[in-house]
Formats: sequence, structure tokens, C-alpha cells
Amino acid sequence: AQTVTQSQPEMSVQEAETVTLSCTYDTSESDYYLFWYKQPPSRQMILVIRQEAYKQQNATENRFSVNFQKAAKSFSLKISDSQLGDAAMYFCAYIGNYKLTFGKGTLLTVNP
Amino acid sequence: NAGVTQTPKFQVLKTGQSMTLQCAQDMNHEYMSWYRQDPGMGLRLIHYSVGAGITDQGEVPNGYNVSRSTTEDFPLRLLSAAPSQTSVYFCASTNNQPQHFGDGTRLSIL
Repeated sequence: AQTVTQSQPEMSVQEAETVTLSCTYDTSESDYYLFWYKQPPSRQMILVIRQEAYKQQNATENRFSVNFQKAAKSFSLKISDSQLGDAAMYFCAYIGNYKLTFGKGTLLTVNP
Repeated sequence: NAGVTQTPKFQVLKTGQSMTLQCAQDMNHEYMSWYRQDPGMGLRLIHYSVGAGITDQGEVPNGYNVSRSTTEDFPLRLLSAAPSQTSVYFCASTNNQPQHFGDGTRLSIL
């Protein structure tokens, strides 16, 4: 079974600075997707960024980028120029064979 | 275009009662799924469907039933509610990644 591990239950960052959230996963599949979702207090699940496993290039979406290390099964999220609106719970997720598996989440606090 | 619509948004039940959480999508997605979110646990897959007439179990299926008679709808049934089923429930759909999530249903079992 696939597993996703987020080793940081909570993180904090100063506004305008950079923070990296960690995620590791375990799978025997070669073709899969990885995601980072953001969940603000409104509880909406908002897609931040996605990465296809077959792509070597790391995905980037504006201030959000990933460091995808397939051999190490690592998928970290870097948030640059952090903003107050980035404060939320962040979930790393893996999908293979239709089943989406989530990590337990990292609560990010942004300090003004 | 409403996306994924879940009803109700909130519900309180007594132990032993049954109810159905509704999920509908208007994007003609083949794949639909149900998750529950508990504090400190992330989201866990309950049941999923890869098309009309096809359903399968996820990680935590006990106490829940699903059916998929149409592409649009994927209801989740609690057969006999238990306090352990108190949670926030999310429905999601996709044809290709990523999945689109509904806004969730907060369910409390007393």
C-alpha cells in the first residue's frame, strides 16, 4: 500500500520569507502523480501544485515550487515570499491506480 | 458550472440513525470518490467509483455504502450511524488529475 509521510506537523514563517514543507512517499509503481493541496479554515481543498512522476523537471506555480526527487521518493514544497494568505493546512498527496493517499498535513503559520 | 456539489453542509444524527450524503458533479467526470477527514489524520479514502455501475472500497469502507447509477451522482450512505463516524466528509471527481473537491459535509453523531 502507498503511504505518504509529512514529518512536520507545524511550521511557521515570517512574512516575505521562504519556507519548505517536507513530504516523502512509498510506492512500488512507476507512473503516478503527486500533489500539494492547501486547506484554509474554510476547509476548501485547493490544489497548489502537481507533479507527474515521469517528468524530471520540477513543477512551479508562481511563488510555489517543488523539489521532486523520484529515487529518494521525496516531494517537498517551497513557498517563496510568504504571504499572510498562505497560512493554512498543507497536504501532500499521491495518486496511483485511482487511489489518492494523503499525508497527515502540515499546519503553516505566517507571522507578520 | 457548479463543479462538485455536496449536500448537506452540516448534519447532526443520533446513534443508529441512517442517512445519505449527496454528491453531484456536472463536469462529466468518470471517477468519483469519498473521503473522511479527522483531526491529525489527513483525508482517508472511503469508497471510489471509476464509472457508472462500478464501485470499490478504499482505506476505511466499513459502515458505509455507495452506488453509482449515473455518471453525475455518487451518494454515500451511513447504514447505522456511530459516534466514530463523526467527521468531515469530502466528495471529489476527476477525469484526469487533479481531483476536484466539494466543500465538505460536517457530520456529528451523538
